Amino acid sequence: KNQVEQSPQSLIILEGKNCTLQCNYTVSPFSNLRWYKQDTGRGPVSLTIMTFSENTKSNGRYTATLDADTKQSSLHITASQLSDSASYICVVSDSIFSGGYNKLIFGAGTRLAVHP
Amino acid sequence: DAGVIQSPRHEVTEMGQEVTLRCKPISGHDYLFWYRQTMMRGLELLIYFNNNVPIDDSGMPEDRFSAKMPNASFSTLKIQPSEPRDSAVYFCASSQTGTSGNTIYFGEGSWLTVV
Repeated sequence: KNQVEQSPQSLIILEGKNCTLQCNYTVSPFSNLRWYKQDTGRGPVSLTIMTFSENTKSNGRYTATLDADTKQSSLHITASQLSDSASYICVVSDSIFSGGYNKLIFGAGTRLAVHP
Repeated sequence: DAGVIQSPRHEVTEMGQEVTLRCKPISGHDYLFWYRQTMMRGLELLIYFNNNVPIDDSGMPEDRFSAKMPNASFSTLKIQPSEPRDSAVYFCASSQTGTSGNTIYFGEGSWLTVV
């Protein structure tokens, strides 16, 4: 069964500190992996998209890594800010192209709280 | 670009009433998705359209749910009759040429409470 599991479920860090969020998946065949940030009361916003051949991608203070062999990804946040408080959702797309759409499998998300 | 626009942002309705959620996708996007998000189940795909045509509605929970896309700039998700278990956040999203390597842009969501 295709699954995406994220850890930890929630995390509290102090402003200025770094943190790393984990994503393990069993989706096969694999197409790409995305990280989304969802602020409370808002829609998810894309941070990064990585395909099989990419093992790292950055977006400002956010750096995502992908190990397609072990089926693991991480999202590293550097020098955290209060505005980083949000849920971070890992989304994996399979490569079964049906009707022009590759099915997305969503993780449950990690809820990050950055405290002053 | 204004992004994906959804309305209403919040709705509280009584059980048994009809609910209509509206969505305007990003201009030029040919895919439109309706998602539902709950604490228990996270984000779930309900239905998606390609060039205004429904492609996969297997995620629609039951016959009480229906979705239409009469033109490239407008879609509706209707629940009739509504039930308390339909309470959730409903997101509309759009994309160009599908999700294979392309970003899906989400709206801000419609927060539905059925009492």
